[in-house]
Amino acid sequence: NAGVMQNPRHLVRRRGQEARLRCSPMKGHSHVYWYRQLPEEGLKFMVYLQKENIIDESGMPKERFSAEFPKEGPSILRIQQVVRGDSAAYFCASSPRGGGEKAFFGQGTRLTVV
Amino acid sequence: DQQVKQNSPSLSVQEGRISILNCDYTNSMFDYFLWYKKYPAEGPTFLISISSIKDKNEDGRFTVFLNKSAKHLSLHIVPSQPGDSAVYFCAASDGLTGGGNKLTFGTGTQLKVEL
Repeated sequence: NAGVMQNPRHLVRRRGQEARLRCSPMKGHSHVYWYRQLPEEGLKFMVYLQKENIIDESGMPKERFSAEFPKEGPSILRIQQVVRGDSAAYFCASSPRGGGEKAFFGQGTRLTVV
Repeated sequence: DQQVKQNSPSLSVQEGRISILNCDYTNSMFDYFLWYKKYPAEGPTFLISISSIKDKNEDGRFTVFLNKSAKHLSLHIVPSQPGDSAVYFCAASDGLTGGGNKLTFGTGTQLKVEL
């Protein structure tokens, strides 16, 4: 049973470009979470999704960031017009149920904006 | 507002001895607590959890203690092994009773187990 798969592992974008980060949850998991870890900080919650629905996006920046989890395919975190401050590690987690219970994390995507 | 705090950024312990990692929280709505371990360039790996109805949970070498009145929890690792060297994150949620779904993480403690 494969774990949470994220790709790419590393992504380099120039300022102003778009970044698309993908996350395939563990088999049987329908709840997906995205977290961001800035250098020297802990993980910060961004958004919680179930299939085709955004449940909680209280941690998402108001502009340039969006997330989706379509009926078919992986969850996508999209960052438009990236800036240097977006450079971070972005982690996806999945769980079979919501409620903040044990979530399994992917290996992360390290975004570098140059 | 840091609702989950890990005040020790690093801890060094000798192999075979006990490692004690501490975590404090401020939000009294938190009712479920987790510890994750993280190696460089990898995602966090779940270690152990505890709900607020318990004060202790044990799994092999790992034990988590919860003191609700003090809003404090700790992770004990005994005996410590070199492979335990990693960053340990404390996390909390109000999912069991508050319906919340997000984890709030501390800033982590770097544990180094020396030979």
